[in-house]
Amino acid sequence: DAGVIQSPRHEVTEMGQEVTLRCKPISGHNSLFWYRQTMMRGLELLIYFNNNVPIDDSGMPEDRFSAKMPNASFSTLKIQPSEPRDSAVYFCASSFSGTTGAFFGQGTRLTVV
Amino acid sequence: AQSVSQHNHHVILSEAASLELGCNYSYGGTVNLFWYVQYPGQHLQLLLKYFSGDPLVKGIKGFEAEFIKSKFSFNLRKPSVQWSDTAEYFCAVISDYKLSFGAGTTVTVRA
Repeated sequence: DAGVIQSPRHEVTEMGQEVTLRCKPISGHNSLFWYRQTMMRGLELLIYFNNNVPIDDSGMPEDRFSAKMPNASFSTLKIQPSEPRDSAVYFCASSFSGTTGAFFGQGTRLTVV
Repeated sequence: AQSVSQHNHHVILSEAASLELGCNYSYGGTVNLFWYVQYPGQHLQLLLKYFSGDPLVKGIKGFEAEFIKSKFSFNLRKPSVQWSDTAEYFCAVISDYKLSFGAGTTVTVRA
């Protein structure tokens, strides 16, 4: 298995633009997590899904953020419109019902200028 | 709500010294516990995990952790660190499918 795959690895965009981050979890895993990591705030859980259903999105900072998981093998995190303070590394992770521990993707480094 | 607290923000030590990082969690139900490591510029990698059974868990790279239920603690240890152990270490708890992390401890090992 290739592990959790995120794309793009790096994204530079202008303020106000829409940004879409993508994640392919490990095959067979049924939980998916989106995290944001910054120096100031550390690792923050934004949202997590179980069996493609959003369970808790209380970590999503604003309405500008949205996440979807249309099927078991794909999830997106969208920011619209993006702002400079959204600059961070966004990680996606997946696990099997919490029993395996979560496996992380390489992350997407987002820079909003 | 569950939470995870790590006692140390930054630890600096010399090679061959022993390392212990504290972690406490607050949740009354069944939890699974983890330690992750993040090397500079990389993603988080699983060091070790505890689900049940022997409370002393051995992980990769010579790390171990002890689960003490009465203290809600899951401390990470390594008897003798190397320069390559320089990284950020995160304690994590998963319960009801939610995976929560502590704030992390930066470990700097001086040669």
